[in-house]
Order: sequence, then C-alpha cells, then structure tokens
Amino acid sequence: QKEVEQDPGPLSVPEGAIVSLNCTYSNSAFQYFMWYRQYSRKGPELLMYTYSSGNKEDGRFTAQVDKSSKYISLFIRDSQPSDSATYLCAMSAGSSASKIIFGSGTRLSIRP
Amino acid sequence: GAVVSQHPSRVICKSGTSVKIECRSLDFQATTMFWYRQFPKQSLMLMATSNEGSKATYEQGVEKDKFLINHASLTLSTLTVTSAHPEDSSFYICSARRRGDRYNEQFFGPGTRLTVL
Repeated sequence: QKEVEQDPGPLSVPEGAIVSLNCTYSNSAFQYFMWYRQYSRKGPELLMYTYSSGNKEDGRFTAQVDKSSKYISLFIRDSQPSDSATYLCAMSAGSSASKIIFGSGTRLSIRP
Repeated sequence: GAVVSQHPSRVICKSGTSVKIECRSLDFQATTMFWYRQFPKQSLMLMATSNEGSKATYEQGVEKDKFLINHASLTLSTLTVTSAHPEDSSFYICSARRRGDRYNEQFFGPGTRLTVL
C-alpha cells in the first residue's frame, strides 16, 4: 500500500464548477499537508499548506484535513480554464528529518 | 522572492555520456537542496538530499555513483548523471529549503527534461 493515494484522473469539469480533489494516506505521523499545482513540463508550486486537522481558505481554494479519517481535500470554487493542471497532494511528519511524500497527482481540465 | 532556477531546461544526449544539471536559488540562501525524479504521469520521487558543504544523502535504491550531487555553495547544487542510459530519461526537479524557514517548505525549480538516446 502506498503511503499516499491519489486518483490520477483525468478530471474534466466545465468552467465555473466546484472541483473537489482528494487524497488518502496511511501514515498517522503526517502532520503537515500541502497541495501543489504543476503545469505541464514545469516544477510544482505550493498552493496551500495546512497543519494538522481543519480547514484553510485562500481565495477560491479551500483545503480540508481530516486526520481521523486520514483524508485530505482541496476544493476549487468558480473554476477557471487557467486552473487546468496537475494537482499533487503532499504530506510530511514535520520533523527536520522528514521527507515530503507526494501523491501521484490528479490531472484537472476545466472546459471553457 | 524564493525563486529556484534549473539549467538546462531540456537536454538530449547519447547513451554513455554524462550530463550535469544545475540548480540555483536566485534570491535566497538554500541550506538544503533536494533532487527529485518524475516519470510521466507519476509522482515526484525523492532521489537525494544535499546540505551545503556536506555529502548528499541518497534514498534507498538510488545509485550514488551514478547520480553525483554536489552542493558547493548556499545557492548552487548540481546533479550529474554519469554514463546515462535510456532508462535514465526522466524529468528531474530540484527544490530548495530556505534558511530559517519551516522545515517542510520547499521551493521548486522548473525542472530539466533529460532524454537519453
């Protein structure tokens, strides 16, 4: 079993729709949860960063973490064609020696 | 701020040759740099972690003699793929941790696409 599971998609939704992206994980030591956006042939860029359980909102993006279920989500409201990219969840136990473990990424396409 | 560059962005080489990829932090000092490999439609896989002035720490299964990492300064790390073979073809991405930042905050470079013929 992988430490982090993410549906690879592709996911295609019409412009303006609400997008829900999810990951599950198995390591209960994870405390830091991140979402990265990666455009084709580019490096990942950090979108959202959450510590422990709870919600965090930044503009059209909302990240949710449910540690009891080992489940994290990223919601995108009023989706735009420019949101089309691969979204990678990532997590870390947080100590200075901890690695960041990435999900495989979900390819998202927003149709105009 | 916190920009990381990589050079070259794309390289094509013949089997058996060595290729050097540079990773630079342009506007900050990077105490730690990371090298990842990403195959098509797959996640980023950490290859090694390097701290300035010390030897890199390689992940299990990564050959240190094949993937030479040098972190010569606080703004530059290099990855040399020695005697490259077609199976080394991949997207190589570096990231850098900024001095004083939270330990899991990494800034990623744009990646280098290596194709070995």
